[in-house]
Amino acid sequence: EDKVVQSPLSLVVHEGDTVTLNCSYEVTNFRSLLWYKQEKKAPTFLFMLTSSGIEKKSGRLSSILDKKELFSILNITATQTGDSAIYLCAVEETGGGNKLTFGTGTQLKVEL
Amino acid sequence: GAGVSQSPRYKVAKRGQDVALRCDPISGHVSLFWYQQALGQGPEFLTYFQNEAQLDKSGLPSDRFFAERPEGSVSTLKIQRTQQEDSAVYLCASSLRDRVYEQYFGPGTRLTVT
Repeated sequence: EDKVVQSPLSLVVHEGDTVTLNCSYEVTNFRSLLWYKQEKKAPTFLFMLTSSGIEKKSGRLSSILDKKELFSILNITATQTGDSAIYLCAVEETGGGNKLTFGTGTQLKVEL
Repeated sequence: GAGVSQSPRYKVAKRGQDVALRCDPISGHVSLFWYQQALGQGPEFLTYFQNEAQLDKSGLPSDRFFAERPEGSVSTLKIQRTQQEDSAVYLCASSLRDRVYEQYFGPGTRLTVT
């Protein structure tokens, strides 16, 4: 059965810290891996990764995929209280009807 | 509209009641998805539409769950004879046909079955 596992499940840091969130996956027909940020209700799209070793970057957030070891990391540098959220990792399959399989998420809390 | 909207935002139902949850996708988005998110869990796929066609309903947990999108725009997720285990947030997402990975989510409907 396909599986997406995120770690840690929760994390508390202080403003200015750098954090690394992990996502490992076991998917039969991998197409892409996606990261979402979920505050309150609606997840918002952050990154899509399809190729190994190519870093995607947006401001203080960056992510990279390792298709050999089947994992991805999401880095956040110089964290701010506004980064507090649940970060979701999801995997898209080929021939899977375009559905996404999500992990349980990492709950990040950034304190002053 | 500017984003995906869902209604109602909150719904409390007594066990055994039927409920209907509505999703208005972003205008022009061909693909529409329904997810169920239990507390402390990631969203779990329920069903997927491309226009009015329901292409994948493999995630619907039982035959009490039914979704439709008759005109290829607004979608309704109906749950018949609700059970306590149906309590969750129901998320709707939409995307362009060729960018299904970039799904835009609505705020969700929190369903509580008492």
